[in-house]
Amino acid sequence: AQSVTQPDIHITVSEGASLELRCNYSYGATPYLFWYVQSPGQGLQLLLKYFSGDTLVQGIKGFEAEFKRSQSSFNLRKPSVHWSDAAEYFCAVAPYNNNDMRFGAGTRLTVKP
Amino acid sequence: NAGVTQTPKFRVLKTGQSMTLLCAQDMNHEYMYWYRQDPGMGLRLIHYSVGEGTTAKGEVPDGYNVSRLKKQNFLLGLESAAPSQTSVYFCASSDRDTRTNEKLFFGSGTQLSVL
Repeated sequence: AQSVTQPDIHITVSEGASLELRCNYSYGATPYLFWYVQSPGQGLQLLLKYFSGDTLVQGIKGFEAEFKRSQSSFNLRKPSVHWSDAAEYFCAVAPYNNNDMRFGAGTRLTVKP
Repeated sequence: NAGVTQTPKFRVLKTGQSMTLLCAQDMNHEYMYWYRQDPGMGLRLIHYSVGEGTTAKGEVPDGYNVSRLKKQNFLLGLESAAPSQTSVYFCASSDRDTRTNEKLFFGSGTQLSVL
């Protein structure tokens, strides 16, 4: 069965430190991959996506993600976290043959001063 | 630009009551979606529509019905609300297939409590 796993429910990092949020998926074939961010009381905003090609993708707000087929992973990274990055982050996948996009349970990021 | 607008923003229902959540988008998008968000569960797709007059089931469609009579509106109905339907509901839209589209636009959500 298709699934998306975000192993970390909550992560705390210091401002200026690097960040990596993990995402693993289980699909029959390589799906389309996304990362979204949700600020409190808001809808979701797309950070970046991977469809094909270069496995390292750049997104908005200084985020990047790397697709690793061998590990079925699509981890989100940022070299230096800002206090405004505190939010909930969702990994999402969509199969190549339909619109049933599935989301992970989310990782809540807290940024310490 | 309003984008994706959901009404109402908050609602409290008693078990067995019915209600309709309205989603409206002003971007002329073909695709519209209804998700529910629960703690520890992420977002789960309830129903979606790939165009006016069409609807399809998502991951958790039971207990919900939808209609897309107009391209700009996507309605989510609860015929007989249950406490298990207490959740935050998000509507989203995109102008093409989500798998190849640039963006999925989300509304700000509807907090629904069923007592």
